[in-house]
Amino acid sequence: DAKTTQPNSMESNEEEPVHLPCNHSTISGTDYIHWYRQLPSQGPEYVIHGLTSNVNNRMASLAIAEDRKSSTLILHRATLRDAAVYYCILRGANSGYSTLTFGKGTMLLVSP
Amino acid sequence: DSGVTQTPKHLITATGQRVTLRCSPRSGDLSVYWYQQSLDQGLQFLIQYYNGEERAKGNILERFSAQQFPDLHSELNLSSLELGDSALYFCASSRTVVSGNTIYFGEGSWLTVV
Repeated sequence: DAKTTQPNSMESNEEEPVHLPCNHSTISGTDYIHWYRQLPSQGPEYVIHGLTSNVNNRMASLAIAEDRKSSTLILHRATLRDAAVYYCILRGANSGYSTLTFGKGTMLLVSP
Repeated sequence: DSGVTQTPKHLITATGQRVTLRCSPRSGDLSVYWYQQSLDQGLQFLIQYYNGEERAKGNILERFSAQQFPDLHSELNLSSLELGDSALYFCASSRTVVSGNTIYFGEGSWLTVV
């Protein structure tokens, strides 16, 4: 699977929007972009995923660059509960089994 | 609640022993994944099953084995345990193996080897 690059950590204030960037310059045409987050001592939680178009759900929005070499996860109003490690993962359709390969992710700190 | 159920939640055992971790996937999900998370290694993929058959292998030690049963639940067997096997073990499931499918994770089984 192609690799992703994320900042090690980011900080935000409560009720402010948060933009978490992810670079994936070697993405292939059939790779889906998945975002998961993990709170301490809990299992990873699915946030959102997309292929080419921007996506919205109740948790977040995913903005995908036109060349697909980068994407941004947008939390519209951060809460203390959003403090977690966020993982940007490419999941290939051609890998044959398409598991998730986790990197180090971005640790998001949210201040009241 | 993801719908993936793992038991036991916590387990303490001695070196050299053998343990079995159990996972019930979400209703209707055919694929099961096992991951290991230790402090120094992050989340590591171990093995994947789809409809009872092994589909992919990751960094799984020879002392570890897994299987998926006809009712789709899965078990991860860890034997000849070492201190370094202490970790959180996560099970996850998805409907199929298509990369657009969402993978849902359980809450994990904490294994402490003393």
